Amino acid sequence: NAGVMQNPRHLVRRRGQEARLRCSPMKGHSHVYWYRQLPEEGLKFMVYLQKENIIDESGMPKERFSAEFPKEGPSILRIQQVVRGDSAAYFCASSPPGDNSPLHFGNGTRLTVT
Amino acid sequence: GDSVTQMEGPVTLSEEAFLTINCTYTATGYPSLFWYVQYPGEGLQLLLKATKADDKGSNKGFEATYRKETTSFHLEKGSVQVSDSAVYFCALSDMAGGGNKLTFGTGTQLKVEL
Repeated sequence: NAGVMQNPRHLVRRRGQEARLRCSPMKGHSHVYWYRQLPEEGLKFMVYLQKENIIDESGMPKERFSAEFPKEGPSILRIQQVVRGDSAAYFCASSPPGDNSPLHFGNGTRLTVT
Repeated sequence: GDSVTQMEGPVTLSEEAFLTINCTYTATGYPSLFWYVQYPGEGLQLLLKATKADDKGSNKGFEATYRKETTSFHLEKGSVQVSDSAVYFCALSDMAGGGNKLTFGTGTQLKVEL
């Protein structure tokens, strides 16, 4: 039973390029969450999605960041025109339906902007 | 808003020593509380949880009790091992918007030496 799969594990982008981070939730999980971990900090919530719907994007920066979770395929976190401050580890978590369901985390994508 | 405060690390202990990592929280409702562990280069793994006051979560020798009167959820282990070296995150869940959005503390690094 595969866990939450994120790819790539490491991503290097130059300033101004686009970064696309992918997350395949665990089988049977229809809820996806994205978190960002800056160096020496805890995880900060970014966005919560269900299939084809954004439920809560209160943690997403207003510009350059977007997320989707299509009916088919992985969830995508997209960062346009990356800047050095976007360098961080981005973690995806998934859960089955149900308010009290525990989150299962992927191993993260480490984005470095040069 | 909701917040979680953890003791700062790193915490360095000798093998078989007693561990306490303090965690306090502020929340408007009645959150569920969690401890997650992150090993180097990996995502977060759920260590234990408690969903209501006076509940005790336990796993792999770790314990934490949900104390509503002191708004605390301190992590303890009677005898640590080198393999316990990791970063530990305290978190609470916010169900207000539906789903299972987590608010994390900044993490406490534990180093266990022989």
